[in-house]
Amino acid sequence: AQKVTQAQTEISVVEKEDVTLDCVYETRDTTYYLFWYKQPPSGELVFLIRRNSFDEQNEISGRYSWNFQKSTSSFNFTITASQVVDSAVYFCALSEIAGGGADGLTFGKGTHLIIQP
Amino acid sequence: EPEVTQTPSHQVTQMGQEVILRCVPISNHLYFYWYRQILGQKVEFLVSFYNNEISEKSEIFDDQFSVERPDGSNFTLKIRSTKLEDSAMYFCASSEWDSINHNEQFFGPGTRLTVL
Repeated sequence: AQKVTQAQTEISVVEKEDVTLDCVYETRDTTYYLFWYKQPPSGELVFLIRRNSFDEQNEISGRYSWNFQKSTSSFNFTITASQVVDSAVYFCALSEIAGGGADGLTFGKGTHLIIQP
Repeated sequence: EPEVTQTPSHQVTQMGQEVILRCVPISNHLYFYWYRQILGQKVEFLVSFYNNEISEKSEIFDDQFSVERPDGSNFTLKIRSTKLEDSAMYFCASSEWDSINHNEQFFGPGTRLTVL
């Protein structure tokens, strides 16, 4: 069975600080996808990134960066120079590849990020 | 930019009543999904749908739930006899699943279901 653990329930930082959100996953599959979604107070789920298990390269997109380490089954997300608009709940998620598009995502419990001005 | 839409945004119903939640997936997508998020909790997979039939379903998706694609654009989730614990946000998602966009699921804005 798949499992995604986001141990940080809530993180509060002051604006402009860097913050890292942790994600640890468990799966018996050798091929899988990892995702991060943002859920702002308005409630919608906003896709941030997808990474497949073949590609361990870190990725940077503006102030966002992701560190995928297969050896520790982690897919951590860092926001550099945080802004108040980054305040949201962030979910890490996992899905198989073998099942094709039929597989649902397994989500972690989310980390509530609060950026204080 | 194409997006997944859901109606209504908020549905209030009495326990025991049937509800139908509606979704319009992105037009060229082939896979459709329903997820549930109880307030303050994680998002949970309910069911996936492809080629007019259920592909995968979770333990949550019991006989009280059903899905349907009644026409070429809508995708519905029916709850036959709602219970208090069905109160949640229900998200629809769709994906095209090709060699590039593997399982990139686009989520709708959600329908908040309140069962009284």
